[in-house]
Amino acid sequence: DQQVKQNSPSLSVQEGRISILNCDYTNSMFDYFLWYKKYPAEGPTFLISISSIKDKNEDGRFTVFLNKSAKHLSLHIVPSQPGDSAVYFCAASLYNAGNMLTFGGGTRLMVKP
Amino acid sequence: DSGVTQTPKHLITATGQRVTLRCSPRSGDLSVYWYQQSLDQGLQFLIQYYNGEERAKGNILERFSAQQFPDLHSELNLSSLELGDSALYFCASTLGGTGAYNEQFFGPGTRLTVL
Repeated sequence: DQQVKQNSPSLSVQEGRISILNCDYTNSMFDYFLWYKKYPAEGPTFLISISSIKDKNEDGRFTVFLNKSAKHLSLHIVPSQPGDSAVYFCAASLYNAGNMLTFGGGTRLMVKP
Repeated sequence: DSGVTQTPKHLITATGQRVTLRCSPRSGDLSVYWYQQSLDQGLQFLIQYYNGEERAKGNILERFSAQQFPDLHSELNLSSLELGDSALYFCASTLGGTGAYNEQFFGPGTRLTVL
């Protein structure tokens, strides 16, 4: 039973345009959500997070939106740059359960120059 | 560089053998998490330690065990290895344990190949 799903295994975007990566979850108890970026042969790198009491969090070119009623979150990257090409994972955690992360399957983003 | 170190980077061994993976958390972090990334399962939580004590268990096999030492480094022991144990094993660390919103910082991983 996959509690966190990223339904698009890959996404291709032109440099300078917006990249939108989507993530759905099934467990309504999740209260903290994170996005990680991963390059080959490296560990995941933390990008941005959002708690369930918010619906938006912004950090530079990255914005995460949370829609609790739809159990959906998205990561917007504007403008997209070739260096953003990587695999992006969304993850969810529970505040009072050790904060272990439940990951989605990842979306490979390719930003074309 | 996340500040989390893992050794070795690569490990090749045979079925039935036992290996130990090592992780040193970021300076000041008390919590260590272990994750397994295999081709068909994605990134899955295995086990968490906080300040030397086991805090949470995920989908960790009985053949696997872990511990966190007084200097806060952690070791993941994998025994009676099977072909299906071939995967990337990541360690992550964070300052707090339960009840804190802390981002986890990941090490570079250990790639285990079981032949």
